[in-house]
Amino acid sequence: IVLTQSPATLSVSPGGSATLSCRASQSVTFYLAWYQQRPGQAPRLLIYDASNRATGIPARFSGSGSGTDFTLTISSLEPEDFAVYYCQQRSSWPLTFGGGTRVEIK
Amino acid sequence: QVQLQESGPGLVNPSETLSLNCSVSGYFIRSAYYWGWIRQPPGGGLEWIGNIFHSGTTYYNPSLKSRVTISVDTSKNQFSLKLSSVTAADTAVYYCARDFRGFGNDAFSVWGPGTIVIVSS
Repeated sequence: IVLTQSPATLSVSPGGSATLSCRASQSVTFYLAWYQQRPGQAPRLLIYDASNRATGIPARFSGSGSGTDFTLTISSLEPEDFAVYYCQQRSSWPLTFGGGTRVEIK
Repeated sequence: QVQLQESGPGLVNPSETLSLNCSVSGYFIRSAYYWGWIRQPPGGGLEWIGNIFHSGTTYYNPSLKSRVTISVDTSKNQFSLKLSSVTAADTAVYYCARDFRGFGNDAFSVWGPGTIVIVSS
């Protein structure tokens, strides 16, 4: 299953909001996760099964969608939120990741 | 608190075998969960390599399956990756990780810091 993320880069002002998209080449029902990766760090799980926040993830991160279209919304961006975000499906083997969206400071 | 740490050579010659270990602390591998390897080429995205359960059950990415072996050593509380016949395209940061709920096909909730492997003569 191919995951296509858009846009490739998103420029947002601190305190603003960001909407990231992940589209699957076929339905993954709700078996989609989102990760944040800061420079030089490993990815961090944010959202699992489309809309569930992982432990310790702030409420400003929210996920939605099902089937083939998914969205990660980040509200009131904090300085530490400027990073690259990846989606990942677990609906079928092999596990696959999207190409990533970079959220940069405007 | 579970922690993972990758280790192994940072430089591998083309056509040889890349070998990495992932040491797990704060949790016994034999208890539960699947343990996986993911890689990221320089400036690129993430690619899942494969997962293993403590029983030895494995799942591999078909794109790498002919060259990959993942094994587990519960006595050392670690698991390992071997990737044969490497080329420059295998240059990447290699991460080991634990899956989220033990499903096997799941998200990854615990990651090692990653180790960079360069394939070059």
